[in-house]
Amino acid sequence: TAGITQAPTSQILAAGRSMTLRCTQDMRHNAMYWYRQDLGLGLRLIHYSNTAGTTGKGEVPDGYSVSRANTDDFPLTLASAVPSQTSVYFCASSDPPNTGELFFGEGSRLTVL
Amino acid sequence: GQNIDQPTEMTATEGAIVQINCTYQTSGFNGLFWYQQHAGEAPTFLSYNVLDGLEEKGRFSSFLSRSKGYSYLLLKELQMKDSASYLCAVSPDGGATNKLIFGTGTLLAVQP
Repeated sequence: TAGITQAPTSQILAAGRSMTLRCTQDMRHNAMYWYRQDLGLGLRLIHYSNTAGTTGKGEVPDGYSVSRANTDDFPLTLASAVPSQTSVYFCASSDPPNTGELFFGEGSRLTVL
Repeated sequence: GQNIDQPTEMTATEGAIVQINCTYQTSGFNGLFWYQQHAGEAPTFLSYNVLDGLEEKGRFSSFLSRSKGYSYLLLKELQMKDSASYLCAVSPDGGATNKLIFGTGTLLAVQP
């Protein structure tokens, strides 16, 4: 079972460039999330979606956008990357959406230079 | 505000028992989760507590006291493979999604 697949696994990006991190799940979970993980700060929620067609802002949404065109895909876009967006990004889903454990993808390591 | 505190690092000996504490202050409470994360890997679910008391699952147990804003994860019969970060996370509200708030994690080193 694939679960949640993220791509790319790692990427080096020049500041000012745009980047989309892809996330696909095959569990048919309604709720999906994007977190970033930084040393000393833990996992912080960027954006979330409780069902296809709806999204919401988490704790650190600035500089990021998401879309949820269907149940399976939840891409995260950085329109103009800055060095402070260097991080490891984790996509997750949950079922039931409001109380279930989060299932995480393997992460995407992004370095912005 | 939202605040979750746990020790940064702990060291324990193979075969021993270790307790990792977590205290939280959040605007609401809809459950507490523990996750394990090995270096370079994704977090994986360990336990969930929503009512006071102890939940046991094999070598791992988790305790919750809602009145004290306190939880602990107990690991018994430690093995070398238990060396990892342990993340405490709180579900702050009963909304449509489970927007977990994570602590910064406790890095556990198990020594022979």
